[in-house]
Amino acid sequence: NAGVTQTPKFRILKIGQSMTLQCTQDMNHNYMYWYRQDPGMGLKLIYYSVGAGITDKGEVPNGYNVSRSTTEDFPLRLELAAPSQTSVYFCASSYLTGYGGHSNQPQHFGDGTRLSIL
Amino acid sequence: AQTVTQSQPEMSVQEAETVTLSCTYDTSESDYYLFWYKQPPSRQMILVIRQEAYKQQNATENRFSVNFQKAAKSFSLKISDSQLGDAAMYFCAYTEEYGNKLVFGAGTILRVKS
Repeated sequence: NAGVTQTPKFRILKIGQSMTLQCTQDMNHNYMYWYRQDPGMGLKLIYYSVGAGITDKGEVPNGYNVSRSTTEDFPLRLELAAPSQTSVYFCASSYLTGYGGHSNQPQHFGDGTRLSIL
Repeated sequence: AQTVTQSQPEMSVQEAETVTLSCTYDTSESDYYLFWYKQPPSRQMILVIRQEAYKQQNATENRFSVNFQKAAKSFSLKISDSQLGDAAMYFCAYTEEYGNKLVFGAGTILRVKS
């Protein structure tokens, strides 16, 4: 199993450009997440999904969009890149039975995408 | 707002010695889960240890153990017999109920001296 795969690993964008960060997992996890990590800081939640077709905003959603059409994929879209979106982006997934709750099942993380906007 | 505070930006430990990393959190929930994640320079996020808030017994994983004080909302990580490979950024986190979302602290950089 590959786990959580993120592409690309590195990217430089110009201000105002758009791009999609790809995330796919092969563990049949129902929950998926996008976090950003600014230099010297912890991870902050951008968006999350508790199942295909369901997405919700996290702590820092402005400037981003997501979709979840399949269990495996959870792409993150930046529409108009701004310097404040320079960060490392992590995708994660976990599996929970039931709907909406929480558990001790850990989140599995991808290796991150380093995004610079100049 | 629910928060996680790691009051030690950096810590150093001599190889083979013991070090404790501090974490406090603030949540209004009575049932939650706590985690320590390790992030080496490779940027991977690696689960170190987890604790269920309803369990009084402190979790242990080999050289890693926690001191969980629910009333004080404290969740410290003790690393025994420190190794060079333990050098990394360590994050404390807990789950918010709906969606199993993680709330992270700012992290503690651990340096291990040989």
